[in-house]
Amino acid sequence: VLTQSPDFQSVAPKEQVTITCRASQSIGRSLHWYQQKPDQSPKLLIKYGSQSFSGVPSRFSGSGSGTEFTLTINSLEVEDAATYYCHETATLPQTFGQGTKVEIK
Amino acid sequence: QVQLVESGGGVVQPGRSLRLSCAVSGFTFSSYAMHWVRQAPGKGLEWVAIISYDGSKKHYADSVRGRFSISRDNSKNTLYLQMNSLSAEDTAVYYCVKEETLHDYSGDLDFWGQGTLVTVSS
Repeated sequence: VLTQSPDFQSVAPKEQVTITCRASQSIGRSLHWYQQKPDQSPKLLIKYGSQSFSGVPSRFSGSGSGTEFTLTINSLEVEDAATYYCHETATLPQTFGQGTKVEIK
Repeated sequence: QVQLVESGGGVVQPGRSLRLSCAVSGFTFSSYAMHWVRQAPGKGLEWVAIISYDGSKKHYADSVRGRFSISRDNSKNTLYLQMNSLSAEDTAVYYCVKEETLHDYSGDLDFWGQGTLVTVSS
């Protein structure tokens, strides 16, 4: 089971956003982050805890291993308004976190 | 470029069946595992099923095991999801999703289709 916190965050442009994803058991680094904007399909941001996916802006970064992981957005931009999901692939069936909605103040 | 185009969604009565298809292009379909992920209206993402690149391995979410079946036809570059005994809880947008790594099984998901809406209602 993956638990994200917070569920919702309202942040001003240029500020930093931190989202945490906790796993109920150790999953190594098999944790990925996705961004979903309204009425769009999810997009891969970070894979295996900290590896940036091709084309993702450098303000997005990930860290963590085992049971605790973090997605950080540095210098938030208006276009970053979205829901962010973590996703673990260490076990089958796979699971997603419940999502964290980021709103721009 | 990579394209994943789902079809087959619609309104179906409880207890009935539906088959979703996903036509892919832009990559060597037969070399990548594929997934179905769904999202109920206004809710989060729920992983549904995975099939290996050659169709020899499959796994399902507990919520659909025994009712849904994932398959693929590598000669037609098409992924399928056969859904039986549908209930209102299966109402969702269903996404066809590609794994990033060649011949991997259960890795990160790099390309998502636009989704097809399945509504289970009488």
